Amino acid sequence: KNQVEQSPQSLIILEGKNCTLQCNYTVSPFSNLRWYKQDTGRGPVSLTIMTFSENTKSNGRYTATLDADTKQSSLHITASQLSDSASYICVVSDRGSTLGRLYFGRGTQLTVWP
Amino acid sequence: EADIYQTPRYLVIGTGKKITLECSQTMGHDKMYWYQQDPGMELHLIHYSYGVNSTEKGDLSSESTVSRIRTEHFPLTLESARPSHTSQYLCASSDGYRDQETQYFGPGTRLLVL
Repeated sequence: KNQVEQSPQSLIILEGKNCTLQCNYTVSPFSNLRWYKQDTGRGPVSLTIMTFSENTKSNGRYTATLDADTKQSSLHITASQLSDSASYICVVSDRGSTLGRLYFGRGTQLTVWP
Repeated sequence: EADIYQTPRYLVIGTGKKITLECSQTMGHDKMYWYQQDPGMELHLIHYSYGVNSTEKGDLSSESTVSRIRTEHFPLTLESARPSHTSQYLCASSDGYRDQETQYFGPGTRLLVL
C-alpha cells in the first residue's frame, strides 16, 4: 500500500535553533517528492521538489534530502524563526499512471517559541 | 505568491442548504484540483480537472460535484449540506510538467455545517 509517514507529529523548538523533520514513504514507482509549508488557515506552499536523481535541495534556510534507496526524506530548518511555525507536509508522486497521483503525509506541526 | 483564489474563506450553514465554493486562478493552468482536509489529517483528493469540460472524481468519495466551463474557474457544489461535510476545502492548480509539476493552493474554505 502506498503511504507517506511523517515524524514527529508535532515539534516545539526555540527561535534560532535548528530542527529536522522526517518523511518515510512506500510509494512505488517513485516520481518525485515535495515538501510543502502550510500556515494555519492557509493553503500549502511548495518549498522544494526532488526527483529520483536528486539527493539534496535547498531553499533559503530549508534543506531537503532524499534517499531513494531507503525511501526516506528529511527537511532541515536552520536558524528557525517565529514565522517558521506551520505544518510541514511531505508529498510523494508516483509514476503508476499518466495522472502522477500524489500521496500526502499528515504533516509535522512545528511551533517556534521566542 | 500564487494567483489562486477561493471564496468564501469561512462559511457556516444549516443542514440541507445548497452551497457552492468558488475557486479561480489567473495562471492559465489546465489542471485544477479540490482537496478536503480535516485538522491534523492529510489532504484527500475529491475532484480534479485536466481542462475545460473535463472533470473526474478523486480518491475520496464525495457527495459534491464540480464543473469546468472556463479554464480559470472550478467551482464545487454541495446540493444538500450535512454536518459530515464540515471540513476545510482546498483548491489547487498546476502547471502540468509531470516530473516537476507543482500544485499551487488557494487559501482554503473552512465549512461548518450545523
